[in-house]
Amino acid sequence: EAGVAQSPRYKIIEKRQSVAFWCNPISGHATLYWYQQILGQGPKLLIQFQNNGVVDDSQLPKDRFSAERLKGVDSTLKIQPAKLEDSAVYLCASSFRIVGHEQYFGPGTRLTVT
Amino acid sequence: GQSLEQPSEVTAVEGAIVQMNCTYQTSGFYGLSWYQQHDGGAPTFLSYNALDGLEETGRFSSFLSRSDSYGYLLLQELQMKDSASYFCAVRPNTGTASKLTFGTGTRLQVTL
Repeated sequence: EAGVAQSPRYKIIEKRQSVAFWCNPISGHATLYWYQQILGQGPKLLIQFQNNGVVDDSQLPKDRFSAERLKGVDSTLKIQPAKLEDSAVYLCASSFRIVGHEQYFGPGTRLTVT
Repeated sequence: GQSLEQPSEVTAVEGAIVQMNCTYQTSGFYGLSWYQQHDGGAPTFLSYNALDGLEETGRFSSFLSRSDSYGYLLLQELQMKDSASYFCAVRPNTGTASKLTFGTGTRLQVTL
């Protein structure tokens, strides 16, 4: 089965610019997650979707970050405007069930903000 | 809230056994998971402990003791390809069921 797909793999932008990341989860996985991983740290959950509804966005900086999963399949995460501290790897993951303990991660998008 | 602490780095010799610890402070959780992440790669699931005790999957074993707020991942017959970062993670039993909180990670270096 195909894994979680993400694009782009790398992105370099200047501060105050905007950027968008795309994720396509494993087919049939209803739950989708976006994580931020700063170098040397563990992934931190930004937002979790169940189908096309938001389940948890308590750690999403909503003044600059937004995410959507309109048709309950693929998802987009946007940052506008970007700050230097947003430099990180943005990981998308999916799981079959909302209570599944095993999550499948995509390769991530490495964002550098200059 | 939840916090999980792990040693930052561990070095071990090829063929040896290594144990990576995870101590946590959490108000309650469903289980303890372990993920492996190679440099530049995606985290991949290794093991899950819902109950106290040892879970074994090939060369990997994971242990949980809720009374001691402690768990560990044991790797046997170390291979060079095991050099990676290892993260423990918990699923709290409050709020959203499957929101994983990750630890700080242990970077394992396997040497000849």
